[in-house]
Amino acid sequence: GDSVTQMEGPVTLSEEAFLTINCTYTATGYPSLFWYVQYPGEGLQLLLKATKADDKGSNKGFEATYRKETTSFHLEKGSVQVSDSAVYFCALDNDYKLSFGAGTTVTVRA
Amino acid sequence: SQTIHQWPATLVQPVGSPLSLECTVEGTSNPNLYWYRQAAGRGLQLLFYSVGIGQISSEVPQNLSASRPQDRQFILSSKKLLLSDSGFYLCAWRDRGRNSPLHFGNGTRLTVT
Repeated sequence: GDSVTQMEGPVTLSEEAFLTINCTYTATGYPSLFWYVQYPGEGLQLLLKATKADDKGSNKGFEATYRKETTSFHLEKGSVQVSDSAVYFCALDNDYKLSFGAGTTVTVRA
Repeated sequence: SQTIHQWPATLVQPVGSPLSLECTVEGTSNPNLYWYRQAAGRGLQLLFYSVGIGQISSEVPQNLSASRPQDRQFILSSKKLLLSDSGFYLCAWRDRGRNSPLHFGNGTRLTVT
């Protein structure tokens, strides 16, 4: 079945550092890929998405490129802020339902 | 604009008691509806999804059940809670169409004691 694997956390960074969260997937067909973010005590919010190979999703300084050859969708941000502290989930959509990774907790220190 | 309401926000229930969590969506019609559970350190687990009134698909065998009595209402239930049912439950909706994103409620923190 479809599955998503993302790097385990927690990840702790200093403000203005570079952030990368790795995500790889296994799926049949041509899934759409998403990154969701969960701030403390809240539900998940869509951060960005890509619907086909080589698409780049971007939002709030975050970027991720849909790489079919490596089945990856790594999340990056060049300069993180304290407000980026959250749990990040990679997800794929290949049917009526989305499959999520386990989540990566990111803490940014001032 | 579309909104999703999920309640209660927190719930403490004894083992063996029943459960009913409710979720409603406003501002859209014929949405796909979902219940997820988020256990600590284990990510999101899809429990149920529904593509229409009375249509429920179960993803994993659980001590839980779901119902969709109305187009924009999704209910998660249990007749007898287990300790292992503790977790953070999230309701979500999306428009029909494979590339449409999920929109989540704020979740219910359930503690079974």
